[in-house]
Amino acid sequence: GQNIDQPTEMTATEGAIVQINCTYQTSGFNGLFWYQQHAGEAPTFLSYNVLDGLEEKGRFSSFLSRSKGYSYLLLKELQMKDSASYLCAVRDSNYQLIWGAGTKLIIKP
Amino acid sequence: TAGITQAPTSQILAAGRSMTLRCTQDMRHNAMYWYRQDLGLGLRLIHYSNTAGTTGKGEVPDGYSVSRANTDDFPLTLASAVPSQTSVYFCASSERSGSGANVLTFGAGSRLTVL
Repeated sequence: GQNIDQPTEMTATEGAIVQINCTYQTSGFNGLFWYQQHAGEAPTFLSYNVLDGLEEKGRFSSFLSRSKGYSYLLLKELQMKDSASYLCAVRDSNYQLIWGAGTKLIIKP
Repeated sequence: TAGITQAPTSQILAAGRSMTLRCTQDMRHNAMYWYRQDLGLGLRLIHYSNTAGTTGKGEVPDGYSVSRANTDDFPLTLASAVPSQTSVYFCASSERSGSGANVLTFGAGSRLTVL
């Protein structure tokens, strides 16, 4: 079967750095996405990786290793507004998105 | 503000009743999707439409139907609601389906409780 694994919850301190991991086992691979979802709100797009390596976008970076079935989202200079759930999704060989259950990130002052 | 509008925001429904969740987008996106989100689970695709006039079944289509009469609207109908359909429903759209950085834009969600 297809599976996306992420930690259920993480806690970090304001101003620090946090890395949220995502491992996947899917039938084929056509890209990996990270979305942010604040409580009670809609998911919003953060990043897209299709080739191995690091994609940097401001305070957020996303890394992909296709051979290891692994990605991480790196958040730097954490702010209280970064408290949210972070969803990892992989597009499989049929171009369908398979979603992880999300990682709830709690930022403490 | 351009985007996706979902209605209703929240609804309590008696089991056995029918319900249509409405979804309208003004971005002229070709592809539209309905997902449900349940605690502890990833988003699960119910139905999708790659372009107006076509629809397809997702991972959990049973008990749901959709139509795509035009580009902008993609309603989701529950013919006879059951308690297991209690969930938060998200409508989403993307410029197209398939490969590339095909980013999804989501509506604000409809919280449905079936009693």
